[in-house]
Amino acid sequence: QVQLQQSGPGLLKPSQTLSLTCDISGDSVSGNLVAWNWIRQSPSRGLEWLGRTYYKSKWYNDYAISVKTRITITPDTSKNQFSLQLSSVTPEDTAVYFCAREMSNAFGIWGRGTMVTVSS
Amino acid sequence: DIVMTQSPLSLSVTPGEPASISCRSSQSLLHTNGYNYLVWYLQKPGQSPQLLIYWGSNRASGVPDRFSGSGSGTDFTLKISRVEAEDVGVYYCMQTVQTPPAYTFGQGTKLEIK
Repeated sequence: QVQLQQSGPGLLKPSQTLSLTCDISGDSVSGNLVAWNWIRQSPSRGLEWLGRTYYKSKWYNDYAISVKTRITITPDTSKNQFSLQLSSVTPEDTAVYFCAREMSNAFGIWGRGTMVTVSS
Repeated sequence: DIVMTQSPLSLSVTPGEPASISCRSSQSLLHTNGYNYLVWYLQKPGQSPQLLIYWGSNRASGVPDRFSGSGSGTDFTLKISRVEAEDVGVYYCMQTVQTPPAYTFGQGTKLEIK
């Protein structure tokens, strides 16, 4: 049974870097035919896909245009996890952040979500 | 980006009655491989979204057969044949056809029980 366990701070000040980690159990971060995604949800923006990482002979990343200049998603094969870094945060980045496994072009497994608040 | 538009935004259904949710996309979700890259999720109160339907009409593992997805191109429908109390929550559609990926979600449809 695949499970995703999220961790990371829930309160940031403007201009800081958001860092979240998603630990994977029951699957491999470098597994075939899967991708590892970050999505966020806020009342103002709804559900918003942020980006993903996946392995297909080498590592690839795809990022949403809205955050492309500020986002980095990094796999860690030694810990079987992947992480999200979002730099220069503002109050508009306040949201619940989810990690999710993508398979067959759908997010079949989700983490429980991390509420991140950006406030001075 | 592809814009996903759901309707209605809310509906109230009597247990045992059917329910239907529409999702329209601003561009076709029909891939050259013949699959429609349209996904349905249910987010129950206080929970993460859970996968219901992928590729437009394929039920995810463990999803009751009262849920069905249909449609092609730009018009899709999620149907619940007989609503149960556990079906309350917000239903979202999502497209995954765009390359490079720019996955987008609908606004959500809130289902309540009468």
